[in-house]
Amino acid sequence: GAGVSQSPSNKVTEKGKDVELRCDPISGHTALYWYRQSLGQGLEFLIYFQGNSAPDKSGLPSDRFSAERTGGSVSTLTIQRTQQEDSAVYLCASSLGTGPTNYGYTFGSGTRLTVV
Amino acid sequence: KQEVTQIPAALSVPEGENLVLNCSFTDSAIYNLQWFRQDPGKGLTSLLLIQSSQREQTSGRLNASLDKSSGRSTLYIAASQPGDSATYLCAVTSYSGNTPLVFGKGTRLSVIA
Repeated sequence: GAGVSQSPSNKVTEKGKDVELRCDPISGHTALYWYRQSLGQGLEFLIYFQGNSAPDKSGLPSDRFSAERTGGSVSTLTIQRTQQEDSAVYLCASSLGTGPTNYGYTFGSGTRLTVV
Repeated sequence: KQEVTQIPAALSVPEGENLVLNCSFTDSAIYNLQWFRQDPGKGLTSLLLIQSSQREQTSGRLNASLDKSSGRSTLYIAASQPGDSATYLCAVTSYSGNTPLVFGKGTRLSVIA
C-alpha cells in the first residue's frame, strides 16, 4: 500500500483480556518495527522483523507480549492478559532494510490501546 | 546503551520567530540521525535524515545539523508558522545494522499566531 496501515486505530479492552494489533507495512519493505509510546514518555522499542524473523526480542516488556510476521508482510502484536500499564499508543514502522544506509522509516498512525 | 536527550521539553514562540531544537546522544558511534514530527493522535512523519558522514541537511524552512563527535544535533526552523506546532522527535541509529532507532522524548512546539 501507499503507507503503513495499522488496525484498529483505537482499542478499549478490559483488564485480563487478550488483544491483537495489526500492522500492514509498505509493500516491498523487508524490515518492520514495533514501538510503544506511553503518555509523556518517549518511544520504547519493542521488536523488529527482518523478513519473517525477529533477531531481537529483548525489547518486549514481558512474556505476555508476542509478535509474529507472516509472508514477509503483515505483522501482529499480541498482548495476553492485558494490564492497565499496557495502555499506550503502539506504533509500527517499516523500512527497505535494516542496513546502515539511507533507509528511511515510515510510521503508521498507531493503535491507541486503553485497558480499563 | 545509547540514550537520546532533547531540550527543551516544550517551547512556545510567536509566529515568525526562528527557533532551534536541541538533541544530544551519548554514544557517538551512529550511522545516522533522523528528525521526526508527530501531530497529536498521529504517527511520525520523517523530516530529515542525516548520515553520519554528513554535517547538515535542509528541507524548505528546516535545517538539521549534526556534530557526531560531540553527540549533538540541532533542528533549525526558520520563520515559524502555527502549522509547525507539533512534537519534534530526534532519533539515532547506532553502529550496528540490527539496532533500531533510539528516540528522545521530543520537544513539544507551539507557534502562536
